[in-house]
Amino acid sequence: SAVISQKPSRDICQRGTSLTIQCQVDSQVTMMFWYRQQPGQSLTLIATANQGSEATYESGFVIDKFPISRPNLTFSTLTVSNMSPEDSSIYLCSVLDEKLFFGSGTQLSVL
Amino acid sequence: GNSVTQMEGPVTLSEEAFLTINCTYTATGYPSLFWYVQYPGEGLQLLLKATKADDKGSNKGFEATYRKETTSFHLEKGSVQVSDSAVYFCALRVDPGGYQKVTFGIGTKLQVIP
Repeated sequence: SAVISQKPSRDICQRGTSLTIQCQVDSQVTMMFWYRQQPGQSLTLIATANQGSEATYESGFVIDKFPISRPNLTFSTLTVSNMSPEDSSIYLCSVLDEKLFFGSGTQLSVL
Repeated sequence: GNSVTQMEGPVTLSEEAFLTINCTYTATGYPSLFWYVQYPGEGLQLLLKATKADDKGSNKGFEATYRKETTSFHLEKGSVQVSDSAVYFCALRVDPGGYQKVTFGIGTKLQVIP
């Protein structure tokens, strides 16, 4: 089973700034995913990040707002750019290694 | 589109009580159904699954039966423990190869008190 280290676990940020969330996996995986869980809502897929290709974004999410890097098979980052209070949420990375595994999440609060 | 509706929490139970967390779904095609659990400070992890109608998924004393006629996948446990305190997510996936199309419910927080 894959073990995922996600950081930071939480952060409080000012409006207009950017935050980069890191996701490190203890094994090589092809498919990595980034989710968002807004207060009182279900997990929503932001994008799929495969190594060696551009990330694939879901409807309602754009690369300028949520740029993703996937430099190798064990690491990915998600940046939340030009933040506003509406971006306050939990962000989760996930990998597919026979089944889905999740990081512990990043609790982001934007003031 | 696909959707999952699960009861809102928190659900507070005494130790050894019976647990039911309701989950209903709407989906095109024939979904696989899942329950994920998130313990405090940890990532979501798969608890159990069922891939076709009338299948029963089970793990750690938890059970859920895939009911196509009622489009439900309720989670049950006969006797909860304090260690079961966590957030439980119901989820579905329609395309067997499309792991990116997993649809989640909002999660139900369970608190078990001694």
